[in-house]
Amino acid sequence: DVKVTQSSRYLVKRTGEKVFLECVQDMDHENMFWYRQDPGLGLRLIYFSYDVKMKEKGDIPEGYSVSREKKERFSLILESASTNQTSMYLCASSLSGPAGDGEQYFGPGTRLTVT
Amino acid sequence: GQQLNQSPQSMFIQEGEDVSMNCTSSSIFNTWLWYKQDPGEGPVLLIALYKAGELTSNGRLTAQFGITRKDSFLNISASIPSDVGIYFCAGQLRGSARQLTFGSGTQLTVLP
Repeated sequence: DVKVTQSSRYLVKRTGEKVFLECVQDMDHENMFWYRQDPGLGLRLIYFSYDVKMKEKGDIPEGYSVSREKKERFSLILESASTNQTSMYLCASSLSGPAGDGEQYFGPGTRLTVT
Repeated sequence: GQQLNQSPQSMFIQEGEDVSMNCTSSSIFNTWLWYKQDPGEGPVLLIALYKAGELTSNGRLTAQFGITRKDSFLNISASIPSDVGIYFCAGQLRGSARQLTFGSGTQLTVLP
């Protein structure tokens, strides 16, 4: 079974703090993704990575950065947290290949509150 | 990004009833996926579809890849209380590498 883990289930940070969200997958997947999920807005892609040290902007990259130094680990960084970044953050991974590109496997999510 | 049109937005059904939900788009998809999300958890992949017309089952769940490649359906038979949750469709657009487009979700409530 694919396992995607996220470093925290719940996180409370203050406005202006630098926040690190960590994601680790154990299935040697090439692709990793960060989403945020908000009521009424669905899942929105922040950044994704298809290889170590590679990154691509998603639909809402502003205010975020990412790091992928190792294949199994993908970090999301909020450089200066703001209250509008309060959200559920979901990490996902997928295999590259003709069939595997589509199937993304999600972590349990991190509920971030910025006060 | 583009959104899929998922309906209904919510459903209240009696335990034992069958459920149907669908996703449609004006664009062609190469892959259709169905996920379920429990409160406070990440989405879990239920069914993956790769060919137009394909019909795939996973226990009481059955999903179909529409023949036009622009839609997909999920049916749940004989619903039980643990079916409660949000069901999402997701598709990989033709010509799109790696990224998925997600529906807005169907909130399912099963009444005893």
